[in-house]
Amino acid sequence: EVQLVESGGTLVQPGGSLRLSCAASGFTFNIYWMTWVRQAPGKGLEWVANIHQESRKRFYLDSVEGRFTISRDNAKNSLFLQMNNLRAEDTAVYYCVRDREYHDVSTESWYDVFDFWGQGTLVTVSS
Amino acid sequence: AIQMTQSPSSLSASVGDRVTITCRASQGIRNDLGWYQQKPGKAPKLLVYAASTLESGVPSRFSGSGSGTEFTLTISSLQPEDFATYYCLQDYGYPRTFGQGTKVE
Repeated sequence: EVQLVESGGTLVQPGGSLRLSCAASGFTFNIYWMTWVRQAPGKGLEWVANIHQESRKRFYLDSVEGRFTISRDNAKNSLFLQMNNLRAEDTAVYYCVRDREYHDVSTESWYDVFDFWGQGTLVTVSS
Repeated sequence: AIQMTQSPSSLSASVGDRVTITCRASQGIRNDLGWYQQKPGKAPKLLVYAASTLESGVPSRFSGSGSGTEFTLTISSLQPEDFATYYCLQDYGYPRTFGQGTKVE
């Protein structure tokens, strides 16, 4: 059974740092892109960052670039999000998401397929 | 960033109704679009990817269509378990962007 379990969310002051973790199990972690998606209280979903299977590529939401770093440890089946210089607007539930990817051979196109999500961990940035 | 605009933001429907949700992209995104369902207090669930491919296990009353800038998610006959919020997500460019959501109530 695929499981994604986030941890590390807590109350932190503006300007502070936090490291989120996601423990993956039930699948071969090192063959999937992984993604972080967040959701502010009562708001919609917001894509935050993703990382290649072998960490060769990483992409970020503009508003977190330079402050957040996504990383992974394939030996430990773990995904991380290091968050620095946190702001009130970073307050959200953060979800760890597996990207199965779909390759359409007829068009040579690749598609994101966010097929498994963790339960989320709440980060609150407030003084 | 590519902007995704969903309409309506909310809708009122009854069991058995046909429901259509629209998502418009600020630029052409081919068919690089997915649809997700979220119920209160739960993580989102994948419904459709590549604009029209139904995820395994998702009931056939759900369908997706569209390409370029306009996309739709249709629920052919609304069931009690379908009352939820629905989001589109473009995966054509970075950063990935979600629509603002459509609440079906």
